[in-house]
Amino acid sequence: DARVTQTPRHKVTEMGQEVTMRCQPILGHNTVFWYRQTMMQGLELLAYFRNRAPLDDSGMPKDRFSAEMPDATLATLKIQPSEPRDSAVYFCASGLIGTSGTEAFFGQGTRLTVV
Amino acid sequence: DAKTTQPNSMESNEEEPVHLPCNHSTISGTDYIHWYRQLPSQGPEYVIHGLTSNVNNRMASLAIAEDRKSSTLILHRATLRDAAVYYCILRDRNTGNQFYFGTGTSLTVIP
Repeated sequence: DARVTQTPRHKVTEMGQEVTMRCQPILGHNTVFWYRQTMMQGLELLAYFRNRAPLDDSGMPKDRFSAEMPDATLATLKIQPSEPRDSAVYFCASGLIGTSGTEAFFGQGTRLTVV
Repeated sequence: DAKTTQPNSMESNEEEPVHLPCNHSTISGTDYIHWYRQLPSQGPEYVIHGLTSNVNNRMASLAIAEDRKSSTLILHRATLRDAAVYYCILRDRNTGNQFYFGTGTSLTVIP
């Protein structure tokens, strides 16, 4: 049963520390998304990649967030330095996205707490 | 991206049908209508999508108004496991790789 895998599931870190979240998309999917969910803002799109190339990262705070896909099996989202306001659940999703409007598959999320 | 409007919350009795409405009055001709749901402590999951015609799958049915300015997600028999937040999303078939989520409808199923 193919699924998107995110690690770690939970992360508690101190303000100022670097945080790296990892995502293994479903094999064969051409698009990877990063979302952030908070009670106040709901689900926000941070960035997405198509065929490993970043297409849009306008939702990310550029000074501290970075997203990469070093290979087809790994996507990473880094925060450096982390701040308490970054506390949220971060979701990765992948899909075989084309003009027919196919679905995105979401991972279980990484719950980040910055103290 | 065109916006969608959904009620904040709805209730349904178990084993009864549920009709979840979504308004998208500024929809364009190339926008697909997607529905996702998010169960507690889970990531969102795909439910159904359509363009112009009504659609059925094992999870639900999607009824699209003739003018496409609104749609309704139909759960034929609500179960307790259907308690979730349901999101109605528009995605441009030509340019939109993104899925932008609104606030969704929180569905409570009453035993």
